[in-house]
Amino acid sequence: KNEVEQSPQNLTAQEGEFITINCSYSVGISALHWLQQHPGGGIVSLFMLSSGKKKHGRLIATINIQEKHSSLHITASHPRDSAVYICAVKGGWDSNYQLIWGAGTKLIIKP
Amino acid sequence: DGGITQSPKYLFRKEGQNVTLSCEQNLNHDAMYWYRQDPGQGLRLIYYSQIVNDFQKGDIAEGYSVSREKKESFPLTVTSAQKNPTAFYLCASSIAGGAFDTQYFGPGTRLTVL
Repeated sequence: KNEVEQSPQNLTAQEGEFITINCSYSVGISALHWLQQHPGGGIVSLFMLSSGKKKHGRLIATINIQEKHSSLHITASHPRDSAVYICAVKGGWDSNYQLIWGAGTKLIIKP
Repeated sequence: DGGITQSPKYLFRKEGQNVTLSCEQNLNHDAMYWYRQDPGQGLRLIYYSQIVNDFQKGDIAEGYSVSREKKESFPLTVTSAQKNPTAFYLCASSIAGGAFDTQYFGPGTRLTVL
Protein backbone atom coordinates (compact mmCIF):
# COMPACT_ATOMS: atom_id res chain seq x y z
CA LYS A 1 0.00 0.00 0.00
CA ASN A 2 1.34 3.42 -0.91
CA GLU A 3 1.97 5.84 1.93
CA VAL A 4 0.14 8.61 0.05
CA GLU A 5 -3.04 7.76 -1.86
CA GLN A 6 -4.93 10.17 -4.06
CA SER A 7 -8.43 9.83 -5.44
CA PRO A 8 -9.70 9.93 -8.03
CA GLN A 9 -6.85 9.13 -10.41
CA ASN A 10 -8.66 10.87 -13.26
CA LEU A 11 -11.46 13.40 -13.17
CA THR A 12 -13.33 15.02 -16.04
CA ALA A 13 -15.85 17.75 -15.32
CA GLN A 14 -17.73 20.57 -17.01
CA GLU A 15 -16.72 24.18 -16.66
CA GLY A 16 -18.22 25.72 -13.55
CA GLU A 17 -18.43 22.52 -11.51
CA PHE A 18 -17.12 22.26 -7.95
CA ILE A 19 -14.12 19.93 -7.88
CA THR A 20 -12.82 17.86 -4.98
CA ILE A 21 -9.58 15.87 -4.99
CA ASN A 22 -8.71 13.72 -2.00
CA CYS A 23 -5.44 12.68 -0.38
CA SER A 24 -4.99 10.11 2.38
CA TYR A 25 -1.70 9.27 4.03
CA SER A 26 -0.54 6.63 6.46
CA VAL A 27 2.60 8.17 7.99
CA GLY A 28 3.30 10.86 10.54
CA ILE A 29 3.86 14.17 8.83
CA SER A 30 5.16 17.64 9.55
CA ALA A 31 3.31 19.23 6.63
CA LEU A 32 1.24 18.40 3.53
CA HIS A 33 1.69 20.03 0.15
CA TRP A 34 -0.61 20.39 -2.82
CA LEU A 35 1.10 21.05 -6.15
CA GLN A 36 -0.04 21.53 -9.73
CA GLN A 37 1.73 20.05 -12.74
CA HIS A 38 0.97 21.64 -16.07
CA PRO A 39 0.83 19.63 -19.33
CA GLY A 40 4.32 20.85 -20.20
CA GLY A 41 5.69 19.27 -17.02
CA GLY A 42 6.39 22.28 -14.81
CA ILE A 43 5.32 21.95 -11.17
CA VAL A 44 4.18 24.79 -8.94
CA SER A 45 3.37 24.67 -5.27
CA LEU A 46 -0.22 25.61 -4.41
CA PHE A 47 -0.49 25.10 -0.66
CA MET A 48 1.43 23.91 2.34
CA LEU A 49 -0.74 22.83 5.29
CA SER A 50 -0.04 21.58 8.75
CA SER A 51 -3.55 22.15 10.10
CA GLY A 52 -6.95 23.60 9.23
CA LYS A 53 -7.76 25.25 5.94
CA LYS A 54 -6.18 27.60 3.41
CA LYS A 55 -7.76 29.50 0.54
CA HIS A 56 -6.20 31.13 -2.50
CA GLY A 57 -8.55 32.49 -5.11
CA ARG A 58 -10.80 29.64 -6.25
CA LEU A 59 -8.67 26.99 -4.56
CA ILE A 60 -9.30 25.72 -1.04
CA ALA A 61 -7.23 23.12 0.78
CA THR A 62 -8.19 21.42 4.03
CA ILE A 63 -6.47 18.91 6.25
CA ASN A 64 -7.70 16.66 9.06
CA ILE A 65 -4.65 15.51 11.00
CA GLN A 66 -6.57 12.98 13.12
CA GLU A 67 -8.04 11.29 10.05
CA LYS A 68 -4.82 11.69 8.01
CA HIS A 69 -6.77 13.16 5.13
CA SER A 70 -6.64 16.29 3.01
CA SER A 71 -8.85 17.67 0.26
CA LEU A 72 -8.26 20.17 -2.50
CA HIS A 73 -11.34 21.98 -3.78
CA ILE A 74 -11.71 24.11 -6.88
CA THR A 75 -14.75 26.36 -7.09
CA ALA A 76 -16.19 27.58 -10.42
CA SER A 77 -13.78 25.36 -12.36
CA HIS A 78 -12.38 26.59 -15.65
CA PRO A 79 -10.59 24.83 -18.54
CA ARG A 80 -7.35 26.50 -17.49
CA ASP A 81 -7.54 24.47 -14.25
CA SER A 82 -6.85 21.33 -16.32
CA ALA A 83 -3.65 19.86 -14.92
CA VAL A 84 -2.33 17.09 -12.69
CA TYR A 85 -2.78 17.86 -9.00
CA ILE A 86 -0.29 16.21 -6.69
CA CYS A 87 -0.41 15.68 -2.96
CA ALA A 88 2.91 15.25 -1.13
CA VAL A 89 3.52 14.83 2.59
CA LYS A 90 6.64 15.87 4.38
CA GLY A 91 7.97 13.47 6.97
CA GLY A 92 9.53 14.41 10.27
CA TRP A 93 13.13 14.92 11.29
CA ASP A 94 13.75 11.18 11.18
CA SER A 95 13.15 11.18 7.42
CA ASN A 96 15.19 14.36 6.97
CA TYR A 97 11.94 16.16 6.09
CA GLN A 98 11.77 14.51 2.69
CA LEU A 99 8.59 14.55 0.64
CA ILE A 100 6.52 11.42 -0.02
CA TRP A 101 4.56 11.86 -3.22
CA GLY A 102 1.13 10.78 -4.34
CA ALA A 103 0.70 9.61 -7.93
CA GLY A 104 -1.41 12.63 -8.86
CA THR A 105 -4.96 13.30 -10.04
CA LYS A 106 -5.38 14.25 -13.69
CA LEU A 107 -8.13 16.86 -13.98
CA ILE A 108 -9.74 17.84 -17.26
CA ILE A 109 -12.28 20.67 -17.31
CA LYS A 110 -14.37 20.79 -20.47
CA PRO A 111 -15.80 24.10 -21.72
CA ASP B 1 14.11 36.97 -12.46
CA GLY B 2 14.81 34.34 -9.81
CA GLY B 3 14.22 30.74 -10.64
CA ILE B 4 15.49 27.31 -11.54
CA THR B 5 16.66 26.41 -15.00
CA GLN B 6 17.15 22.95 -16.41
CA SER B 7 18.73 22.16 -19.71
CA PRO B 8 18.13 20.75 -22.15
CA LYS B 9 14.34 20.32 -22.24
CA TYR B 10 14.62 17.19 -24.38
CA LEU B 11 17.62 14.88 -24.52
CA PHE B 12 18.21 11.80 -26.63
CA ARG B 13 21.07 9.42 -25.97
CA LYS B 14 22.18 6.02 -27.14
CA GLU B 15 22.11 3.12 -24.72
CA GLY B 16 25.35 2.77 -22.80
CA GLN B 17 26.26 6.46 -22.84
CA ASN B 18 26.53 8.60 -19.74
CA VAL B 19 24.58 11.85 -19.88
CA THR B 20 24.60 14.91 -17.60
CA LEU B 21 21.50 16.99 -16.88
CA SER B 22 22.02 20.57 -15.83
CA CYS B 23 20.24 22.33 -12.96
CA GLU B 24 20.97 25.92 -11.94
CA GLN B 25 19.18 28.15 -9.42
CA ASN B 26 19.59 31.83 -8.56
CA LEU B 27 17.26 31.78 -5.57
CA ASN B 28 20.14 31.55 -3.07
CA HIS B 29 18.68 28.28 -1.79
CA ASP B 30 20.83 25.90 0.21
CA ALA B 31 18.90 22.71 -0.61
CA MET B 32 18.56 21.13 -4.05
CA TYR B 33 16.88 17.93 -5.21
CA TRP B 34 16.64 15.62 -8.20
CA TYR B 35 13.45 13.67 -8.90
CA ARG B 36 12.46 11.15 -11.50
CA GLN B 37 8.89 10.95 -12.81
CA ASP B 38 7.49 7.96 -14.69
CA PRO B 39 3.96 7.81 -16.14
CA GLY B 40 1.30 7.05 -13.53
CA GLN B 41 3.74 7.20 -10.63
CA GLY B 42 4.59 9.76 -8.00
CA LEU B 43 7.89 11.60 -8.08
CA ARG B 44 10.81 9.60 -6.72
CA LEU B 45 13.81 11.21 -5.08
CA ILE B 46 17.17 10.41 -6.66
CA TYR B 47 19.60 12.62 -4.71
CA TYR B 48 19.44 15.71 -2.57
CA SER B 49 21.91 18.21 -1.20
CA GLN B 50 21.42 20.51 1.75
CA ILE B 51 24.76 22.27 1.53
CA VAL B 52 27.64 22.74 -0.88
CA ASN B 53 30.00 19.76 -1.15
CA ASP B 54 27.53 17.42 0.53
CA PHE B 55 24.72 15.29 -0.88
CA GLN B 56 22.63 12.31 0.15
CA LYS B 57 21.14 9.38 -1.74
CA GLY B 58 17.41 9.32 -2.19
CA ASP B 59 15.18 6.34 -2.82
CA ILE B 60 16.49 5.46 -6.29
CA ALA B 61 20.13 6.61 -6.44
CA GLU B 62 21.53 3.51 -8.17
CA GLY B 63 22.87 4.35 -11.62
CA TYR B 64 22.98 8.09 -10.94
CA SER B 65 25.64 10.46 -9.64
CA VAL B 66 25.65 14.13 -8.61
CA SER B 67 28.00 16.88 -7.53
CA ARG B 68 27.46 20.09 -5.59
CA GLU B 69 30.58 22.19 -6.05
CA LYS B 70 28.66 25.47 -6.15
CA LYS B 71 25.53 26.59 -4.32
CA GLU B 72 23.82 27.46 -7.60
CA SER B 73 24.46 24.22 -9.45
CA PHE B 74 23.49 20.57 -8.92
CA PRO B 75 24.14 18.51 -12.07
CA LEU B 76 22.86 14.95 -12.36
CA THR B 77 24.71 12.30 -14.37
CA VAL B 78 22.73 9.34 -15.62
CA THR B 79 25.26 6.56 -16.02
CA SER B 80 25.18 3.48 -18.18
CA ALA B 81 24.50 1.49 -15.01
CA GLN B 82 20.97 2.90 -14.82
CA LYS B 83 18.82 0.09 -16.20
CA ASN B 84 15.87 2.13 -17.40
CA PRO B 85 16.89 5.77 -17.75
CA THR B 86 14.10 7.00 -20.04
CA ALA B 87 12.02 9.31 -17.85
CA PHE B 88 11.18 12.91 -17.00
CA TYR B 89 13.71 14.44 -14.60
CA LEU B 90 12.86 17.35 -12.33
CA CYS B 91 15.21 19.48 -10.29
CA ALA B 92 13.99 21.47 -7.30
CA SER B 93 15.38 23.73 -4.62
CA SER B 94 14.28 25.03 -1.23
CA ILE B 95 15.62 27.51 1.27
CA ALA B 96 17.05 24.96 3.65
CA GLY B 97 15.19 21.64 3.38
CA GLY B 98 13.42 22.06 6.69
CA ALA B 99 9.95 20.98 7.78
CA PHE B 100 8.04 23.93 6.37
CA ASP B 101 10.14 24.81 3.34
CA THR B 102 8.47 24.93 -0.05
CA GLN B 103 10.26 23.34 -2.98
CA TYR B 104 10.52 25.26 -6.23
CA PHE B 105 10.79 23.26 -9.43
CA GLY B 106 12.57 23.64 -12.71
CA PRO B 107 10.80 22.94 -16.03
CA GLY B 108 12.22 19.42 -16.29
CA THR B 109 14.30 17.45 -18.78
CA ARG B 110 12.78 14.58 -20.72
CA LEU B 111 15.45 11.97 -21.36
CA THR B 112 14.94 9.31 -23.98
CA VAL B 113 17.48 6.53 -24.37
CA LEU B 114 17.37 4.92 -27.79
